[in-house]
Amino acid sequence: GESVGLHLPTLSVQEGDNSIINCAYSNSASDYFIWYKQESGKGPQFIIDIRSNMDKRQGQRVTVLLNKTVKHLSLQIAATQPGDSAVYFCAENRARRSSGSARQLTFGSGTQLTVLP
Amino acid sequence: DAGVTQSPTHLIKTRGQQVTLRCSPKSGHDTVSWYQQALGQGPQFIFQYYEEEERQRGNFPDRFSGHQFPNYSSELNVNALLLGDSALYLCASSIRQGVGYGYTFGSGTRLTVV
Repeated sequence: GESVGLHLPTLSVQEGDNSIINCAYSNSASDYFIWYKQESGKGPQFIIDIRSNMDKRQGQRVTVLLNKTVKHLSLQIAATQPGDSAVYFCAENRARRSSGSARQLTFGSGTQLTVLP
Repeated sequence: DAGVTQSPTHLIKTRGQQVTLRCSPKSGHDTVSWYQQALGQGPQFIFQYYEEEERQRGNFPDRFSGHQFPNYSSELNVNALLLGDSALYLCASSIRQGVGYGYTFGSGTRLTVV
């Protein structure tokens, strides 16, 4: 079946260190992946995305790596700050043929990132 | 510019009752998707509305239904509520069924069924 999963449910890092959050997916037809950040009491917030024709994409303090061979992607956060504490989700975005161009998101269960002072 | 607005923010219902949740999309967005997020889980896709029609549906029973209005706002209706329907219900809006960077989530409605 299709699934998008996270390797670890929780991750604690010291402020200023780099964080790495991992995600595995099972559908080799997946062509687009998104990382979301969800703070308590809020909806998911877009962080960064990557298409399957790329291996790496960088944003401000964040980098996403995609390894299609082992169906794995990771989110790296540089110089982690207290404001980075949240739950992080990877999501697969794939068009369904029966719906034309319509797309839906399939989320993993998330990793709770805690930044220690 | 307001983002996605959902109402109410919290709701308590009794098992067997019916509930209606509301969503106003971000200005300029014409597509609304609904997700259910159980505690400690990732959001699960319920359905998507575009041009006032349901375009896609996830693995949810017919007790879950929706509607989109000409102004692009949307409602999610759940009939015959079960205890397991307790969750955070998220609305996300986008342009022309797109997702990714242009996909904006609201803060959700917390539904508790007792």
